[in-house]
Amino acid sequence: SQTIHQWPATLVQPVGSPLSLECTVEGTSNPNLYWYRQAAGRGLQLLFYSVGIGQISSEVPQNLSASRPQDRQFILSSKKLLLSDSGFYLCACLLAVSYNEQFFGPGTRLTVL
Amino acid sequence: GENVEQHPSTLSVQEGDSAVIKCTYSDSASNYFPWYKQELGKRPQLIIDIRSNVGEKKDQRIAVTLNKTAKHFSLHITETQPEDSAVYFCAASINYQLIWGAGTKLIIKP
Repeated sequence: SQTIHQWPATLVQPVGSPLSLECTVEGTSNPNLYWYRQAAGRGLQLLFYSVGIGQISSEVPQNLSASRPQDRQFILSSKKLLLSDSGFYLCACLLAVSYNEQFFGPGTRLTVL
Repeated sequence: GENVEQHPSTLSVQEGDSAVIKCTYSDSASNYFPWYKQELGKRPQLIIDIRSNVGEKKDQRIAVTLNKTAKHFSLHITETQPEDSAVYFCAASINYQLIWGAGTKLIIKP
């Protein structure tokens, strides 16, 4: 069965600092991967998704970027964080291609001060 | 593109009563409709889903119904318990992506 690892679990960063969040997946190959952000008390906002190595689709224009250097690794980055970047960042993996069931990692809680 | 609306945003029910959360979608090409439960500070977890070729699915106290003609689907929780308190999200699948509802905060009153 699939397992998703995310780190760090929590992060406090000053405004204007860089960001790198990592997601790795075990138990599957060539998965579709997704990055979501959830602001406090809000719903899930899709940021990026990837269908393969080096293939990234952006859903929302912002100061974030994503990369997929390896089949089961998905990285979310920023050069300069904004206060509005605070939130709960979730990595997800598509479990069954034909039916779109998504499985989530444990998340990273980011606070930008 | 696909749009999913979810109601109500907050639902408070007495323990032991039933709870119903409703979602509507816009794109008739959507063919998969999951429901996720998210407890405070944790990741969303799939609790039940339904495919477009099925009208109803049940798993113990949880059931989901789908009306393709009207483009709406609902989550039904019977005999609610304190551990059902959480935020519930519906979604509709299109092109390997999930389009999410805004969520319903379910509060179970003792």
